[in-house]
Amino acid sequence: EVQLVESGGGLVQPGRSLRLSCAASGFTFDDYAMHWVRQAPGKGLEWVSGISWNSGSTGYADSVKGRFTISRDNAKNSLYLQMNSLRAEDTALYYCAKAGARIVPAATFHRWGQGTLVTVSS
Amino acid sequence: DIQMTQSPSSLSASVGDRVTITCQASQDISNYLNWYQQKPGKAPKLLIYDASNLETGVPSRFSGSGSGTDFTFTISSLQPEDIATYYCQQYDNLPTFGQGTRLEIK
Repeated sequence: EVQLVESGGGLVQPGRSLRLSCAASGFTFDDYAMHWVRQAPGKGLEWVSGISWNSGSTGYADSVKGRFTISRDNAKNSLYLQMNSLRAEDTALYYCAKAGARIVPAATFHRWGQGTLVTVSS
Repeated sequence: DIQMTQSPSSLSASVGDRVTITCQASQDISNYLNWYQQKPGKAPKLLIYDASNLETGVPSRFSGSGSGTDFTFTISSLQPEDIATYYCQQYDNLPTFGQGTRLEIK
């Protein structure tokens, strides 16, 4: 069974940094691209970032480009999101999602974790 | 960015009703369109991919159609467990979601 477990969320002050992690199991992790999708409280879904199977290609939403960095460690079956210069508008539930293919553009999110909450506030 | 316009934003229907949600893209996205269901307090779940393909394990009362800029999602006979918010999502370019359709039981 595919499992995606996010961690690393919490309360952080504006301008500070946070690193999210996603532990994957139940599938061959390095066969698939992985993504982060977020959902602000009471709002809709927003794609944040994606990374290809071998880390050779990444993509970012304009809202986070230059501030967030996605990475993965296939040996540890783990996905990461380094978030710098956080803003109040980054407050959201962050989901880790498994794609259906190796490449970032094939962004169909077949499985999702339960999310980790990031709150940016002073 | 490609904008996805979903309608209606909310919908109330009775058990057994046929329910239809539409999604319009701001430019041609071929069939690069997915539909997700999100129940309260839960993660989204993929129902339909590539506009019309049913994800494994999803009941056949769910279906999707369309290509280019206009897409339709249908529940043929609404069940109580279908109460949720539904989102369309394109991946022709950087992925974007529709604003969601909240479905309630009348």
